[in-house]
Amino acid sequence: DVKVTQSSRYLVKRTGEKVFLECVQDMDHENMFWYRQDPGLGLRLIYFSYDVKMKEKGDIPEGYSVSREKKERFSLILESASTNQTSMYLCASSPRDSRQGPGGEQYFGPGTRLTVT
Amino acid sequence: DAKTTQPNSMESNEEEPVHLPCNHSTISGTDYIHWYRQLPSQGPEYVIHGLTSNVNNRMASLAIAEDRKSSTLILHRATLRDAAVYYCLSPGGSGNTGKLIFGQGTTLQVKP
Repeated sequence: DVKVTQSSRYLVKRTGEKVFLECVQDMDHENMFWYRQDPGLGLRLIYFSYDVKMKEKGDIPEGYSVSREKKERFSLILESASTNQTSMYLCASSPRDSRQGPGGEQYFGPGTRLTVT
Repeated sequence: DAKTTQPNSMESNEEEPVHLPCNHSTISGTDYIHWYRQLPSQGPEYVIHGLTSNVNNRMASLAIAEDRKSSTLILHRATLRDAAVYYCLSPGGSGNTGKLIFGQGTTLQVKP
């Protein structure tokens, strides 16, 4: 079974702290994604990466950065956490499979519920 | 990027078929249509995808209109475990970056 794991299910941090959210996938997928999910706003794409050391901004990258040093690991970094970054963070990965065309099947982790106080 | 439109919510009775509609009138000729669902307290999970032909798998069927401006996800016999938010997605961005655009989705309630 494809597995996407996230470092924590629940995390509580203080305003101004630097926060690292880790995501690891075990299926040798090229593409990896970070989303946040908020009530009434659905899933919004923060950053994604389609190769090691490559990254692209999603729809809401402000206040976040990412790191992809190894193919299986994609880290989301909150440089200085703020209360408006309290949210559910979801990581996903997908293969670059030409048979499925652009997009492909994304596999999601269980999510990290981050609370910034 | 193509935009999709879905009803906010739908209800179904257990063991009856459910047809979840999606409009994607601006989809390009090479864009796949993807469906995901999200069960309570879980990350989204892939359901099905298609391009032009109708598709079937163990979870559901996908019926795509001939003009590709709309599609319908069909759950043949709804169970209580099918209660979830269902997302109809189109790819975003160029090339094979795997980016998908999630909308608000349809919240499906299944009544016993």
